[in-house]
Amino acid sequence: GQNIDQPTEMTATEGAIVQINCTYQTSGFNGLFWYQQHAGEAPTFLSYNVLDGLEEKGRFSSFLSRSKGYSYLLLKELQMKDSASYLCAVMDSNYQLIWGAGTKLIIKP
Amino acid sequence: DTEVTQTPKHLVMGMTNKKSLKCEQHMGHRAMYWYKQKAKKPPELMFVYSYEKLSINESVPSRFSPECPNSSLLNLHLHALQPEDSALYLCASSQDPTSGANVLTFGAGSRLTVL
Repeated sequence: GQNIDQPTEMTATEGAIVQINCTYQTSGFNGLFWYQQHAGEAPTFLSYNVLDGLEEKGRFSSFLSRSKGYSYLLLKELQMKDSASYLCAVMDSNYQLIWGAGTKLIIKP
Repeated sequence: DTEVTQTPKHLVMGMTNKKSLKCEQHMGHRAMYWYKQKAKKPPELMFVYSYEKLSINESVPSRFSPECPNSSLLNLHLHALQPEDSALYLCASSQDPTSGANVLTFGAGSRLTVL
């Protein structure tokens, strides 16, 4: 079967760094996505990785290891507005998106 | 225009009503999607239209009926829904459904309550 695992909830402090992990087992691989979703709002695209390595975009970075079936999203200089759910999703060999259950990130002052 | 617009934002309907959700995009995207999302759960794919043709129907009950009048518009017709169908319905679009880097742009969603 297809499976994506990520922690249910994480807590971090404003100004700090947090790493949200995602492991996956899917039928094929055509890339991994991270989306941010604030409560009651639509998901918004953060990053896409298809090759191994780190992609940096401002305060957010995403890492992929295809051999390990592993990715992480790194958020630096945390702000209160970063409190949201972070969804990991993998595109399988049929170009279907398989979604993780999401990680709720709580930022404390 | 880099947005996906959904109407209405909120909808309350009885189990015998017929209503429709609407979605529009003007980004020239060739794929459009309907997702259903319950609280604290990830989005669940319902339908995909690729180049205006229904390409995926994820075993959705017939009380949900999608329609794609043209490449910019997507509707979801609702009839005889059940209270468990209450959820956030998300429309999304993407440029190329056969590409790995197929980034979905989501609309703000239509929150549906079935009484």
